[in-house]
Amino acid sequence: GAGVSQTPSNKVTEKGKYVELRCDPISGHTALYWYRQSLGQGPEFLIYFQGTGAADDSGLPNDRFFAVRPEGSVSTLKIQRTERGDSAVYLCASSSTGVGTGELFFGEGSRLTVL
Amino acid sequence: GNSVTQMEGPVTLSEEAFLTINCTYTATGYPSLFWYVQYPGEGLQLLLKATKADDKGSNKGFEATYRKETTSFHLEKGSVQVSDSAVYFCALSFGGSNYKLTFGKGTLLTVNP
Repeated sequence: GAGVSQTPSNKVTEKGKYVELRCDPISGHTALYWYRQSLGQGPEFLIYFQGTGAADDSGLPNDRFFAVRPEGSVSTLKIQRTERGDSAVYLCASSSTGVGTGELFFGEGSRLTVL
Repeated sequence: GNSVTQMEGPVTLSEEAFLTINCTYTATGYPSLFWYVQYPGEGLQLLLKATKADDKGSNKGFEATYRKETTSFHLEKGSVQVSDSAVYFCALSFGGSNYKLTFGKGTLLTVNP
């Protein structure tokens, strides 16, 4: 596709529910990243994939958060037992190389609201 | 830890005005510095970057110079346009992990005709 695509664009859920957010990166990009942007804050790093493997998951806040990229393209961010504090915009980005360029191409984000 | 502090917004200017958005950082070592921009309804996109002290990044009439002595990377444009209305984020990262960007909180710029 032309850019990074994220679905859904908006998700409203209840506390305690399970949520999946999907990211479709730019075709051919081997590196994929998830960031989280809370209200009034800048984006914060969550996890980085190089190919199918998570090369750095140091930003995941706790074990309720998990992400996969089974075929090295589409990625899914999974959040279990959602809490109100998980409400944020979840941003996905991709790049053609894992490090060195500094240029990440971001999607528009998935806005998650936990009631 | 590493952090980025940028000018609180919102900033409102008239077309053709001069723009400065201040950005300072705290980091151990010498990071790469970036400005990202988010136009309404679009994803974040890289505006410019500088990878070492005294480097000047420039793009679309915007400039920023990496100042090690003041740990700053202020964004400037001589004459803003309505189309520059957006949220601007200053960010840093370190060499081997350039994907792990540390962002400031963002500054909303509105340019009126």
